[in-house]
Amino acid sequence: SQQGEEDPQALSIQEGENATMNCSYKTSINNLQWYRQNSGRGLVHLILIRSNEREKHSGRLRVTLDTSKKSSSLLITASRAADTASYFCATDSGTYKYIFGTGTRLKVLA
Amino acid sequence: GAVVSQHPSWVICKSGTSVKIECRSLDFQATTMFWYRQFPKQSLMLMATSNEGSKATYEQGVEKDKFLINHASLTLSTLTVTSAHPEDSSFYICSAHSTSGWSTDTQYFGPGTRLTVL
Repeated sequence: SQQGEEDPQALSIQEGENATMNCSYKTSINNLQWYRQNSGRGLVHLILIRSNEREKHSGRLRVTLDTSKKSSSLLITASRAADTASYFCATDSGTYKYIFGTGTRLKVLA
Repeated sequence: GAVVSQHPSWVICKSGTSVKIECRSLDFQATTMFWYRQFPKQSLMLMATSNEGSKATYEQGVEKDKFLINHASLTLSTLTVTSAHPEDSSFYICSAHSTSGWSTDTQYFGPGTRLTVL
């Protein structure tokens, strides 16, 4: 069964607004990663956050990790139409075998 | 960054035929590669772990005789969908774990192969 559950399943916002996606998982992890996937295409790696880290930034992206709650969030600030995609979290429990979340479909309206 | 290629990028085949998909790590060695499948508007589901020089490890519910995996070298894993049927139509994605040179914290994903079985 899939380890990660993502919330919301779908999100529609206006350009310039912030988008927040949440990921919850079930077991202890070594690290958690966020990926973007444009429709019908491959995965684009966004950010990796290790279990001993609480927050990471990359450009307009901010990822938080709360291991006590087994949850992570991805914040995209000042969203653009080009950010329209599906976003997935993936957890690694130390075996390098990733378990993907259910995904959030983000639509940014121009 | 590290590059993983897949070939073909898309394939259409008739029901009952077999299809082979290749996954190559272009600039690093990968003792372990992973195969995922993704149905439309769904997430990626891990099918199997491909180990160089040994048998693949399949996830629960994945038929090993239907999805044959061969990891013949440190840069190549193949997935063969045998006797394909329309329900096998899906997007197949591989990933590779680098043992040196590139970050060993992460997997590197291929661009995916879209299989359509008529």
